[in-house]
Amino acid sequence: DAGVIQSPRHEVTEMGQEVTLRCKPISGHDYLFWYRQTMMRGLELLIYFNNNVPIDDSGMPEDRFSAKMPNASFSTLKIQPSEPRDSAVYFCASRRAGTGGLDTQYFGPGTRLTVL
Amino acid sequence: AQTVTQSQPEMSVQEAETVTLSCTYDTSESNYYLFWYKQPPSRQMILVIRQEAYKQQNATENRFSVNFQKAAKSFSLKISDSQLGDTAMYFCAFMKFFSGGGADGLTFGKGTHLIIQP
Repeated sequence: DAGVIQSPRHEVTEMGQEVTLRCKPISGHDYLFWYRQTMMRGLELLIYFNNNVPIDDSGMPEDRFSAKMPNASFSTLKIQPSEPRDSAVYFCASRRAGTGGLDTQYFGPGTRLTVL
Repeated sequence: AQTVTQSQPEMSVQEAETVTLSCTYDTSESNYYLFWYKQPPSRQMILVIRQEAYKQQNATENRFSVNFQKAAKSFSLKISDSQLGDTAMYFCAFMKFFSGGGADGLTFGKGTHLIIQP
């Protein structure tokens, strides 16, 4: 299995530009999660989907952030317009639904976003 | 909402020594799991060990074991015979699960930077 795939691995953009991060979960996984990692705030859950439906988006910081999952094999996290404080590493993770939710979350390699 | 606290920002030990990383959590939930993740400089998140809260027996994975004290809401990680490759950030994480089989996302602590000295 190829694991969770994220693209791009690195993104450098200027303030005000639109940024789209992409994620392909592991085939057969029902859940997809987006996390953000910064020095100040650590690892935070932004949003997660179950069977392509957003379940909890309470971690999405502002209306500038949006996430979609049009099908079981693809998700996007969009920031429009981007700001320097959005600079972070963004992780996508997926897992299979299991008894008691025991199944492990598998993380992608992350996208390092720098907003100048 | 739950919180996870890791009180040791950084630890350093000699190779082959045993080291214990601390984690406490606060929750009103009764159904949950606890995890330790490792993040080496490559920044890949790697699961080290997990513990079901309803199990009294502490989880063990090779050189890694936990001391789970449910009443105290404590979940420490012990690494035995530490190796240079254990150098990484270690994150403690909490996950609530639901009776229908679903579960929430992970709530992470701020992490402990573990350095294994040769």
